[in-house]
Amino acid sequence: NAGVTQTPKFRILKIGQSMTLQCAQDMNHNYMYWYRQDPGMGLKLIYYSVGAGITDKGEVPNGYNVSRSTTEDFPLRLELAAPSQTSVYFCASRLTSGGNNEQFFGPGTRLTVL
Amino acid sequence: GENVEQHPSTLSVQEGDSAVIKCTYSDSASNYFPWYKQELGKGPQLIIDIRSNVGEKKDQRIAVTLNKTAKHFSLHITETQPEDSAVYFCAAIRREAGTALIFGKGTTLSVSS
Repeated sequence: NAGVTQTPKFRILKIGQSMTLQCAQDMNHNYMYWYRQDPGMGLKLIYYSVGAGITDKGEVPNGYNVSRSTTEDFPLRLELAAPSQTSVYFCASRLTSGGNNEQFFGPGTRLTVL
Repeated sequence: GENVEQHPSTLSVQEGDSAVIKCTYSDSASNYFPWYKQELGKGPQLIIDIRSNVGEKKDQRIAVTLNKTAKHFSLHITETQPEDSAVYFCAAIRREAGTALIFGKGTTLSVSS
């Protein structure tokens, strides 16, 4: 298994541009999450999904959108990039059966908005 | 909602010493507390976790203790090695938000040889 994969690893955007951060997992996990990590801070939840076709807002959803058309993929969309969205973005997934709560994280996407 | 506080923010120890990182949580109904290690340029990786029905759990040089009454839990690393140098995060489960995790702000552990 590749686990959780994210692309791209790095990206620089200009203010007002848009982009999609890709996330995929091959573990057949039903729950998926997007977090952002700012310097000196823990990870904060942006959006989450409990299964294909179901998404909901987390703690800091403004300026982002998500979709979950398949179990494997959970892309994060930035429509009008702003400097406040400069951060490292992590996607995570977990399987909810069997009482296992472990979340598996991808390697992250480092985004800079100038 | 749940809130997690983590201390200290930085910790420097000599190789072979022990390191202790402490966290407190606010939601008495929280029942799962993982610890993640994040190396530079990588995603967080689970190193140990504990459920609320257990007071202590060990895995080789790493242990976690939980005090439900006081609502705090701690990570203990014994016989530290330079490769233990990383940022460590404690977390608790949000009962809402798809049981996503709420994280502490992290502790940067430096182990010098």
